[in-house]
Amino acid sequence: DTGVSQDPRHKITKRGQNVTFRCDPISEHNRLYWYRQTLGQGPEFLTYFQNEAQLEKSRLLSDRFSAERPKGSFSTLEIQRTEQGDSAMYLCASSENTEAFFGQGTRLTVV
Amino acid sequence: GEDVEQSLFLSVREGDSSVINCTYTDSSSTYLYWYKQEPGAGLQLLTYIFSNMDMKQDQRLTVLLNKKDKHLSLRIADTQTGDSAIYFCAETPGADGLTFGKGTHLIIQP
Repeated sequence: DTGVSQDPRHKITKRGQNVTFRCDPISEHNRLYWYRQTLGQGPEFLTYFQNEAQLEKSRLLSDRFSAERPKGSFSTLEIQRTEQGDSAMYLCASSENTEAFFGQGTRLTVV
Repeated sequence: GEDVEQSLFLSVREGDSSVINCTYTDSSSTYLYWYKQEPGAGLQLLTYIFSNMDMKQDQRLTVLLNKKDKHLSLRIADTQTGDSAIYFCAETPGADGLTFGKGTHLIIQP
């Protein structure tokens, strides 16, 4: 297992389009997190799954954002009707207990 | 990141020790973490400390925790050019995600 994998690494989209990102966590990690990081800031928590259950959502996660983890393995994060303010790095992390490991992130640019 | 504060920049000479400081607000945080981020990359977990400890050493890294003052530090001994990165302190305010600081840019002078 090579760690947390995210796809794509980069995405450029036009304002108003929908985008979907995928995260494959470390095998058998039951917790999966999504974060957003903008330039000059630390990552900000978006949402969290324990297995397939979405247990927590941040206020940052507007109704244009939806995340799923249907079988408790990989997860997808979809942004509908993208806005320029959605441009950021979207990071996924997984953990089994105390240590959370991050993927390389998906950099989204909305033009 | 308002709950976790870090200095934005630290400049050290190669071979010296680097000390990166962090203050946090949530006294219920069970674990406190240090992550490293290189340009365009994700976050790499460097080390973490349990809240009932006051020190943890791992090779060139030493973490000090002052729970009374809610102060955490990361010391990197014999700083190398490869240590140049942004270092994030993070707390765990609950069972959910981490709360990160804005990060400290470590700049290495030759």
